[in-house]
Amino acid sequence: AQKITQTQPGMFVQEKEAVTLDCTYDTSDQSYGLFWYKQPSSGEMIFLIYQGSYDEQNATEGRYSLNFQKARKSANLVISASQLGDSAMYFCAARWGLGAGSYQLTFGKGTKLSVIP
Amino acid sequence: NAGVTQTPKFRILKIGQSMTLQCTQDMNHNYMYWYRQDPGMGLKLIYYSVGAGITDKGEVPNGYNVSRSTTEDFPLRLELAAPSQTSVYFCASRSDSYEQYFGPGTRLTVT
Repeated sequence: AQKITQTQPGMFVQEKEAVTLDCTYDTSDQSYGLFWYKQPSSGEMIFLIYQGSYDEQNATEGRYSLNFQKARKSANLVISASQLGDSAMYFCAARWGLGAGSYQLTFGKGTKLSVIP
Repeated sequence: NAGVTQTPKFRILKIGQSMTLQCTQDMNHNYMYWYRQDPGMGLKLIYYSVGAGITDKGEVPNGYNVSRSTTEDFPLRLELAAPSQTSVYFCASRSDSYEQYFGPGTRLTVT
């Protein structure tokens, strides 16, 4: 079954330090895409970064980068220079394949990140 | 642009009541989605639509219905509400780039 696994229920990081949030996935599809979303305590879902399975370079968006290791089926999120505003739930998600399934996102259970001043 | 809007923000229902969660997007996106998020969990897909007049079931469709008569609107109908439907409901839309834009959510409690 296709699924997303986030093994870290909670993480702490010192302000200005870098932190890595883990995500592994399971699929037999060759074409898929991986996403990271941030959910602050206010509840909205904020898109952070996207990596396609055929993209050769790791995706980067400002302080966010996605460490994509295809052979290991991992798509870890790296946040550099953490800020207090980074405290939130972070969800890894994926779309699978090119057919109707690619319309849907499968989410992991999330990691709660707390940034310590 | 307002993006994806959802109403209401909060609602309390009694068991057996019905209601419609409204979702509207102004980005002319063909694809729209309804998810639910239970406490401490990720989002699960209820229904989705690939265009006006076309809808399909997601992972957890039981107890819900949808319709898509226009590109902009994608309402979610709950019939005979049950405590298991207590959740936060998110509507989302996307363009062809796969990124999904989420609404602010509706927090529903069924007692």
